[in-house]
Amino acid sequence: KQEVTQIPAALSVPEGENLVLNCSFTDSAIYNLQWFRQDPGKGLTSLLLIQSSQREQTSGRLNASLDKSSGRSTLYIAASQPGDSATYLCAAPSGSRLTFGEGTQLTVNP
Amino acid sequence: GAVVSQHPSWVICKSGTSVKIECRSLDFQATTMFWYRQFPKQSLMLMATSNEGSKATYEQGVEKDKFLINHASLTLSTLTVTSAHPEDSSFYICSARVFRIPQNNEQFFGPGTRLTVL
Repeated sequence: KQEVTQIPAALSVPEGENLVLNCSFTDSAIYNLQWFRQDPGKGLTSLLLIQSSQREQTSGRLNASLDKSSGRSTLYIAASQPGDSATYLCAAPSGSRLTFGEGTQLTVNP
Repeated sequence: GAVVSQHPSWVICKSGTSVKIECRSLDFQATTMFWYRQFPKQSLMLMATSNEGSKATYEQGVEKDKFLINHASLTLSTLTVTSAHPEDSSFYICSARVFRIPQNNEQFFGPGTRLTVL
């Protein structure tokens, strides 16, 4: 059974800071991993999908890395902005399902 | 592309009534859709997997007679909460899976439906 853990649970940073969100998963036999953003009371926005054959995936100020052997993925956010404030979720597949972590609640202070 | 819609976005109902939530893939066909529920300050929990033209597969602990799922077409799945009670109040989110080659089971999520049962 896949288990996904995210650290830290909450993070508060000043605007402009670079930051790293961590995700670990127990079953490394995955074919991809997804990072999502969720604003309060809203659905999920897919940020990055990183394939098992890839080590990194980039979109704008976001960079996701995947290390299957260690069961870890990181989401790097460069030059954070107040608009980045949200909950960030990672999800790893388990068969046809996605297993979500508890999320990291990010607050970027102006 | 890959847009998923849900309707309604929020609903308030009386205890004992039934509520239907629609999930549509707007610009792609989805042979598989997923239904999740999310309680405040918690992550998403998968309720069931819905395959077009067949019965849904429910996760352990989810009552299939209470949460009726119908996936009648490649673009529409519905979740009906029957005889709703206050403890069913939650945020319900659907997702649809796009199949590509090579294997890429990426899921796209709807905006969610907030259900409040009085």
